[in-house]
Amino acid sequence: DAGVTQSPTHLIKTRGQQVTLRCSPKSGHDTVSWYQQALGQGPQFIFQYYEEEERQRGNFPDRFSGHQFPNYSSELNVNALLLGDSALYLCASSSGTPGELFFGEGSRLTVL
Amino acid sequence: KNEVEQSPQNLTAQEGEFITINCSYSVGISALHWLQQHPGGGIVSLFMLSSGKKKHGRLIATINIQEKHSSLHITASHPRDSAVYICAVCTGNQFYFGTGTSLTVIP
Repeated sequence: DAGVTQSPTHLIKTRGQQVTLRCSPKSGHDTVSWYQQALGQGPQFIFQYYEEEERQRGNFPDRFSGHQFPNYSSELNVNALLLGDSALYLCASSSGTPGELFFGEGSRLTVL
Repeated sequence: KNEVEQSPQNLTAQEGEFITINCSYSVGISALHWLQQHPGGGIVSLFMLSSGKKKHGRLIATINIQEKHSSLHITASHPRDSAVYICAVCTGNQFYFGTGTSLTVIP
């Protein structure tokens, strides 16, 4: 049984560009949440998707948007990248909320 | 003020010692999670609690809803327990994370 998979694992972008990160949830999970973790800090909640809709959102600007597909996989899009967006982006899936969180290995984004 | 506070920030222990990590929160929650993060980034969920106490192997997690406090205990600590331990709470609208406790267990 595959766990949560994220792609790409690493990527480098320049300021002003746009990025799309992808997440496939654990089999049987219907809820996907995204987190940003800057170096040396705890994760920060970006948003959560359930039934293809954004259900909860953290304190992130509209440059951060997402999508959930009918197969429960999800994308995180960040527009107009800033240097401060450099971080590890983590995806977690669960069966409903609250539910035990299963995390992917993350996508490490570097903005130059 | 952070919604979730953890202590201590850093902890070094000798192999075999009993370890306690504390988490206090200031918001109403539906669940509290204890997470383990190893160098390189991967996060593993250890416990999800909404009341009482849970045990898994050498790990024990407790929560006191009235006092808004949770503890993670590690009995007979081992060098492989070295990691960052993160407390996270789920409210109706948000997840809030502590900054983590970096644990090093020395053989």
